[in-house]
Amino acid sequence: NAGVTQTPKFQVLKTGQSMTLQCAQDMNHEYMSWYRQDPGMGLRLIHYSVGAGITDQGEVPNGYNVSRSTTEDFPLRLLSAAPSQTSVYFCASRQGAAIWQYFGPGTRLTVT
Amino acid sequence: AQTVTQSQPEMSVQEAETVTLSCTYDTSESDYYLFWYKQPPSRQMILVIRQEAYKQQNATENRFSVNFQKAAKSFSLKISDSQLGDAAMYFCACKGGSEKLVFGKGTKLTVNP
Repeated sequence: NAGVTQTPKFQVLKTGQSMTLQCAQDMNHEYMSWYRQDPGMGLRLIHYSVGAGITDQGEVPNGYNVSRSTTEDFPLRLLSAAPSQTSVYFCASRQGAAIWQYFGPGTRLTVT
Repeated sequence: AQTVTQSQPEMSVQEAETVTLSCTYDTSESDYYLFWYKQPPSRQMILVIRQEAYKQQNATENRFSVNFQKAAKSFSLKISDSQLGDAAMYFCACKGGSEKLVFGKGTKLTVNP
């Protein structure tokens, strides 16, 4: 199994541009989540999904959209990038019966 | 809602010695779970150890163990026989009934040879 994969690893955007961060898992996990990690702040939940077709907001959802059309994929869309969205983004997944999450390697996003 | 506090921004330990990282939490839920995650310079988040709040016995994983004090809402991580590869950021996290996993701000652990 590849586990949780994220692309790209690094991205630089200009203010106002849009883009999609990709996340995929091959473990047939029901639950998937997106977090952002800012310096000195730990990880904060952006959006999560409890299964295909079902998503919900986390702690810091503004400026981001998600969808879950398949079990494997959970893309995160930045609609109009802002410098405040400069961060490292982590995708995570877990099985329904388990309580711990597997994390992807992260995407470092810089918005100028 | 949960909050997690790690009061030690940085800690250091000599190789082969023991170190304890502190974590306190607050939650209004009766059913919750606590975790320690390790983040080395590679950025990968690695689960170190987990504790179910309903279990009284402290969790242990090889050289890693926790001291779970439920009444005091304390969840410290003890690393025995520290190794150079243990150097990393360590995050304490709490999960209640929702999908939200709340993290502390982390403790940077340095291991000195």
